[in-house]
Amino acid sequence: KQEVTQIPAALSVPEGENLVLNCSFTDSAIYNLQWFRQDPGKGLTSLLLIQSSQREQTSGRLNASLDKSSGRSTLYIAASQPGDSATYLCAVRFQGGSEKLVFGKGTKLTVNP
Amino acid sequence: DTAVSQTPKYLVTQMGNDKSIKCEQNLGHDTMYWYKQDSKKFLKIMFSYNNKELIINETVPNRFSPKSPDKAHLNLHINSLELGDSAVYFCASKSGNAISPLHFGNGTRLTVT
Repeated sequence: KQEVTQIPAALSVPEGENLVLNCSFTDSAIYNLQWFRQDPGKGLTSLLLIQSSQREQTSGRLNASLDKSSGRSTLYIAASQPGDSATYLCAVRFQGGSEKLVFGKGTKLTVNP
Repeated sequence: DTAVSQTPKYLVTQMGNDKSIKCEQNLGHDTMYWYKQDSKKFLKIMFSYNNKELIINETVPNRFSPKSPDKAHLNLHINSLELGDSAVYFCASKSGNAISPLHFGNGTRLTVT
């Protein structure tokens, strides 16, 4: 069964700290992996998309890595700010002919000022 | 504004009623989706349409019927609403390019009483 798991479910850090969010997936045969941010009462905003051939993607203070062989991805957030507080979701498009994304349950991040 | 927009934002209704949620995207995307986010925040795909054709239909009760009048619109009609249908329903779209990310609407919070 193709599943995506995110640990921890919640994380609270002081402002300025660097942090890592983890995502693991059960099948290494993937097309791509995407990290999203969800704010309360809002939809999801795409942060980074990593193709299966790539090892990492960077956007500003965000860096996402991908290790297909071990079925893991990390989202690194540098110099965290209170505005980074949100739920971060990892989603994987597995190979097999379907276009659907399989989502993890997310990590709720709180950055305290 | 270029976006995925869905209406209504909130929908409160009684068991047994029939209701519809509308979604429109002006991004020129070929593929549109409906996702359901349950009370535990778990996001799961329901349907996907590509150029008005159904391409993904997960194990969703046939009380749920998507309708795509054109590739910019994907509406969701729900018959005989049940308490368990209460959730947030998200519309999303993406282009046919394999490396393009998914764009989400802000969601419709459905409450069945």
